[in-house]
Amino acid sequence: AQSVTQLDSHVSVSEGTPVLLRCNYSSSYSPSLFWYVQHPNKGLQLLLKYTSAATLVKGINGFEAEFKKSETSFHLTKPSAHMSDAAEYFCVVSDPLLSGGYNKLIFGAGTRLAVHP
Amino acid sequence: NAGVTQTPKFRILKIGQSMTLQCTQDMNHNYMYWYRQDPGMGLKLIYYSVGAGITDKGEVPNGYNVSRSTTEDFPLRLELAAPSQTSVYFCASSQRVREGFKNEQFFGPGTRLTVL
Repeated sequence: AQSVTQLDSHVSVSEGTPVLLRCNYSSSYSPSLFWYVQHPNKGLQLLLKYTSAATLVKGINGFEAEFKKSETSFHLTKPSAHMSDAAEYFCVVSDPLLSGGYNKLIFGAGTRLAVHP
Repeated sequence: NAGVTQTPKFRILKIGQSMTLQCTQDMNHNYMYWYRQDPGMGLKLIYYSVGAGITDKGEVPNGYNVSRSTTEDFPLRLELAAPSQTSVYFCASSQRVREGFKNEQFFGPGTRLTVL
């Protein structure tokens, strides 16, 4: 069965320091992997997605994630945090071929990122 | 394009009342979804639709109903509101899934529902 584990429920960093949000997944097929961001009282916005073309995926706002099949990980990173990065981040996995034909998404529990001056 | 729009943004219901959460998308997507998000949790799928006239249950369908009469609209109905349905509800849409093609879902801004 598919599953997603976000290893940290809360991460706190200082502005200008690197960000690392960790995600491990379980999937029996070549998965689709996504990171979504949710700012307070807002909907979810796609940050980036893994399409199997490249293991290092670049997203919006300077974020990137690396797909490591051997470690079943898809960690999200950013070299330098900005105050506007404070939000909830969700790691998401999808196995379309095992989901009955529709794009079933399995969400991690989320990581709340706090950025301090 | 407006993308995915949801109304209302906020609503307070009394136990036993009913209401319909509206969702519309203008991207001509075949697939539409309803999720609920409880505090500190990820999203859970309530219902989904693969096209007009076709709907199916997700992980947590009890207490909800849906219909899909057009490609654009996918309303969610709560018949007898209960405190356990206090949550934030998100509607989403995506293109038809093709083999090997990894489609992201586009989300609306959400409806915050409180049942007292």
